[in-house]
Amino acid sequence: ELKVEQNPLFLSMQEGKNYTIYCNYSTTSDRLYWYRQDPGKSLESLFVLLSNGAVKQEGRLMASLDTKARLSTLHITAAVHDLSATYFCAVGRETSGSRLTFGEGTQLTVNP
Amino acid sequence: DGGITQSPKYLFRKEGQNVTLSCEQNLNHDAMYWYRQDPGQGLRLIYYSQIVNDFQKGDIAEGYSVSREKKESFPLTVTSAQKNPTAFYLCASSGEFNQPQHFGDGTRLSIL
Repeated sequence: ELKVEQNPLFLSMQEGKNYTIYCNYSTTSDRLYWYRQDPGKSLESLFVLLSNGAVKQEGRLMASLDTKARLSTLHITAAVHDLSATYFCAVGRETSGSRLTFGEGTQLTVNP
Repeated sequence: DGGITQSPKYLFRKEGQNVTLSCEQNLNHDAMYWYRQDPGQGLRLIYYSQIVNDFQKGDIAEGYSVSREKKESFPLTVTSAQKNPTAFYLCASSGEFNQPQHFGDGTRLSIL
């Protein structure tokens, strides 16, 4: 059974600081996704990572994937208040078809 | 404008009642999914369908039923057997295998 763990689950940080969210998964995977969810809203796709060493960047967010360590990171650079949201990673395996397993989410609060 | 439409946005269920949540997509995606999200938690897969007239149970299918008679539509029925239905329900769809899932705006279900 595929398990996906994120840490930390809660993160409070000051504007301008850097931080990293970690996503570990338990079995071999062939794709990993990062999503953002604002309170009471739906999920928005941020990044798709498909191969070992993949790195994607958008604005102050950068995601990477290490398939050998079964680890993905979401790095936040010089945080701003607008980044406050819950971030989820989701992992898929070819043997499971198109279904994904989601992590519990990291609730990020960026304080002025 | 392509997307996923969920209705209603809010729904109240009486004791012993079945209710149906609607999910329609015009993205021409083959696969569709239903997730349940409880407050402060991640997404749990209820049912998914990779093709019309076929669907599979997810991790928490008990007390729920689905149908997939048309490519665009994947309604979810919350039956009276689901004793704790209060949650935020999200519908998603996906196209090509590695592409991210796209989410609707969700339906918030409560018990009267």
